[in-house]
Amino acid sequence: GQQVMQIPQYQHVQEGEDFTTYCNSSTTLSNIQWYKQRPGGHPVFLIQLVKSGEVKKQKRLTFQFGEAKKNSSLHITATQTTDVGTYFCAGRHNQGGKLIFGQGTELSVKP
Amino acid sequence: GAVVSQHPSRVICKSGTSVKIECRSLDFQATTMFWYRQFPKQSLMLMATSNEGSKATYEQGVEKDKFLINHASLTLSTLTVTSAHPEDSSFYICSARDWGEQYFGPGTRLTVT
Repeated sequence: GQQVMQIPQYQHVQEGEDFTTYCNSSTTLSNIQWYKQRPGGHPVFLIQLVKSGEVKKQKRLTFQFGEAKKNSSLHITATQTTDVGTYFCAGRHNQGGKLIFGQGTELSVKP
Repeated sequence: GAVVSQHPSRVICKSGTSVKIECRSLDFQATTMFWYRQFPKQSLMLMATSNEGSKATYEQGVEKDKFLINHASLTLSTLTVTSAHPEDSSFYICSARDWGEQYFGPGTRLTVT
């Protein structure tokens, strides 16, 4: 079936280091969304990317959508302890289609 | 952003009993709601898509007779876990779509003893 692969599964960083998580789909995505889930919490929508090659920034977070619309990345610059949580990408293979979640990347930040 | 509520937030039930979980869109009408299940340290797995006034569409491997979904109004969908067993213990999260964006409820943690 249609899948969205996400790596790495875990990432441990020292506060101030950068962090990147990657998502990849074998087929073209209509759009991709990113969510953050804090421990014990529910996923919170961060952003949606729709256009090929799109890059969006939210403060220290940079989101990219690949030219072929098959991959995406989330990069956090100078991580802080408040960045701790699991980051999920979720893609749709067609407009209005179901959202398929990646496995998530759990980020821990050591102060 | 739009708000989605879920009730209850936590429930503990005995094996063999049924549990109903409510999902409400508080400030928008949601023609489509989604039910996900998340096991510890795992991703969200879509269980079913619920459309107001029609039968839910279940994902492969999800028993429709065990997980009853009712979407009676544009602001309310319910998931009933029937004859619950310990393996049904999980975090159940609903989501409602509003103009293309999906908003997630806070989740319901179900523990079956």
